[in-house]
Amino acid sequence: DTGVSQDPRHKITKRGQNVTFRCDPISEHNRLYWYRQTLGQGPEFLTYFQNEAQLEKSRLLSDRFSAERPKGSFSTLEIQRTEQGDSAMYLCASSSGNEQFFGPGTRLTVL
Amino acid sequence: QKEVEQDPGPLSVPEGAIVSLNCTYSNSAFQYFMWYRQYSRKGPELLMYTYSSGNKEDGRFTAQVDKSSKYISLFIRDSQPSDSATYLCASRLTGGGNKLTFGTGTQLKVEL
Repeated sequence: DTGVSQDPRHKITKRGQNVTFRCDPISEHNRLYWYRQTLGQGPEFLTYFQNEAQLEKSRLLSDRFSAERPKGSFSTLEIQRTEQGDSAMYLCASSSGNEQFFGPGTRLTVL
Repeated sequence: QKEVEQDPGPLSVPEGAIVSLNCTYSNSAFQYFMWYRQYSRKGPELLMYTYSSGNKEDGRFTAQVDKSSKYISLFIRDSQPSDSATYLCASRLTGGGNKLTFGTGTQLKVEL
């Protein structure tokens, strides 16, 4: 399968713990995006990378969130000191042109 | 007010019906328009994308954009039970990193 992959698919954690998600984009896609989706809503943009450079961050991305794409390939999204409001589906997408292709998402539940 | 508005439904239609899904947007600078299909607990799947105004057809799906009224439509012909999903419209600017602004999604159920 050469699509966008995300790991883990599901994560349950306790409030206050740190979590890290991984995204592997489609090979050779230079742009990588993170979105967050809550129940009954569309995805909301969090941040994006062009190659290894993080070029834009949404105001939704608080100081507890950090994202990296160290070699311009895979990316990680870390949430520190998780809160119940962080419970959502975290989606990764990649692009080399006008179309964005999404991965299956990581569903985070914060207890 | 959200930049992209979409009726959340649910919308229920009989098999074989023509389905019309719609969105409105407020940012006149949006130039690209997409429709994604999302099955429960899955990631969004790109169905159609169009640039500026006009129609685009792909099999049973037709996407329509009217920039003068800021209106986006997706038509599904001969709807099938497998079309039951949430349909998300999305828009973006030219350049600016290509980040997408989504509507809330319309839940569609096609019944036998």
